[in-house]
Amino acid sequence: NAGVTQTPKFQVLKTGQSMTLQCAQDMNHEYMSWYRQDPGMGLRLIHYSVGAGITDQGEVPNGYNVSRSTTEDFPLRLLSAAPSQTSVYFCASKQNQGSEQYFGPGTRLTVT
Amino acid sequence: RKEVEQDPGPFNVPEGATVAFNCTYSNSASQSFFWYRQDCRKEPKLLMSVYSSGNEDGRFTAQLNRASQYISLLIRDSKLSDSATYLCVVGSGTYKYIFGTGTRLKVLA
Repeated sequence: NAGVTQTPKFQVLKTGQSMTLQCAQDMNHEYMSWYRQDPGMGLRLIHYSVGAGITDQGEVPNGYNVSRSTTEDFPLRLLSAAPSQTSVYFCASKQNQGSEQYFGPGTRLTVT
Repeated sequence: RKEVEQDPGPFNVPEGATVAFNCTYSNSASQSFFWYRQDCRKEPKLLMSVYSSGNEDGRFTAQLNRASQYISLLIRDSKLSDSATYLCVVGSGTYKYIFGTGTRLKVLA
């Protein structure tokens, strides 16, 4: 039981490049979320999904896309990277609305 | 006013001390409350859920005060390994959880 996995662990992009951050969970959780964490700002919700085929925007969705074709996978796409997207990205999943969230190990992204 | 507020610290305490953190929240309809622990450059991990009646797990005690809209975390007999950032998390009954910015704890030998 691996829990929540994320790849890559580290990534450096140039401004304007695109890439996909991968997230997978093996706990059969319906809810999955993407957060970014910046110094002094706490974790902020980017996008979330309440089940396969259903996604919605969180607090800071601009510049990111998501899809949820399976229960297990929830990739985050950066369309055209900007220096403001330099951050640590965490994927999380939970069983239902009020339950605790489990986090992946994070992806440290630097955009130059 | 932020939806969830925490004192950023750091709280520097000697080993064996008792330390308490508070976290205030603004949405009176909030229903789910958690404390997470985050070590440097690692992912947040659940420390404990917070229930209306309060709950205890070993050296850790969490309390909820709905009237004053805050939750608290008490750590007794602090260990060096307790040094971390403690995140307060509040849910309003939807998918959405709001994270505090965290309180840094340093336990000193």
